[in-house]
Amino acid sequence: GAVVSQHPSRVICKSGTSVKIECRSLDFQATTMFWYRQFPKKSLMLMATSNEGSKATYEQGVEKDKFLINHASLTLSTLTVTSAHPEDSSFYICSVLRTSGRISYEQYFGPGTRLTVT
Amino acid sequence: EDQVTQSPEALRLQEGESSSLNCSYTVSGLRGLFWYRQDPGKGPEFLFTLYSAGEEKEKERLKATLTKKESFLHITAPKPEDSATYLCAVQAPDSNSGYALNFGKGTSLLVTP
Repeated sequence: GAVVSQHPSRVICKSGTSVKIECRSLDFQATTMFWYRQFPKKSLMLMATSNEGSKATYEQGVEKDKFLINHASLTLSTLTVTSAHPEDSSFYICSVLRTSGRISYEQYFGPGTRLTVT
Repeated sequence: EDQVTQSPEALRLQEGESSSLNCSYTVSGLRGLFWYRQDPGKGPEFLFTLYSAGEEKEKERLKATLTKKESFLHITAPKPEDSATYLCAVQAPDSNSGYALNFGKGTSLLVTP
């Protein structure tokens, strides 16, 4: 498996401010990480793929200027929600991609960050 | 178009009452099908990956199987601690990353004593 941490676990911010969420791979070096968001009673929706040392690739409909992703090292990716609005309130979850050989590529998730924008 | 459909949406079992959860998918060229368990307010916990039809994997009371169109998660003699939402996901070849996961909506399982 893999051990993934996220910080903070919960954050409340005011509308118009920015919030940074950290995702750390604790037991191996992760070239690729992913960011998902999850609304109540809904499934996970992929927001972007974060690649170490290069720009993140965003899914259709996700504003890259609003959700800034930085993957500056093999153990850390950050998601910054800029100029947050109440509709950005959600559960944000990161994952790391762990590959083994040619066919094994598994994703392990962090514990999630609950963002509430007031 | 949904690529992953899970059924039932919710399932209530008595302790010891075995059952199966279904995950049907329409992705062509499946790279992998994944099962996760998610507890309220937590991130998904990895359970299994299945790569080819006919493959089976087991872990304690759980057994996952895969065909060319669907996967089943069999729960044998469940206990209350098995209560959770079970998520199925396939790797989405048409996303920006071929390794990203496309999730179903999940099956919410409640096991009562």
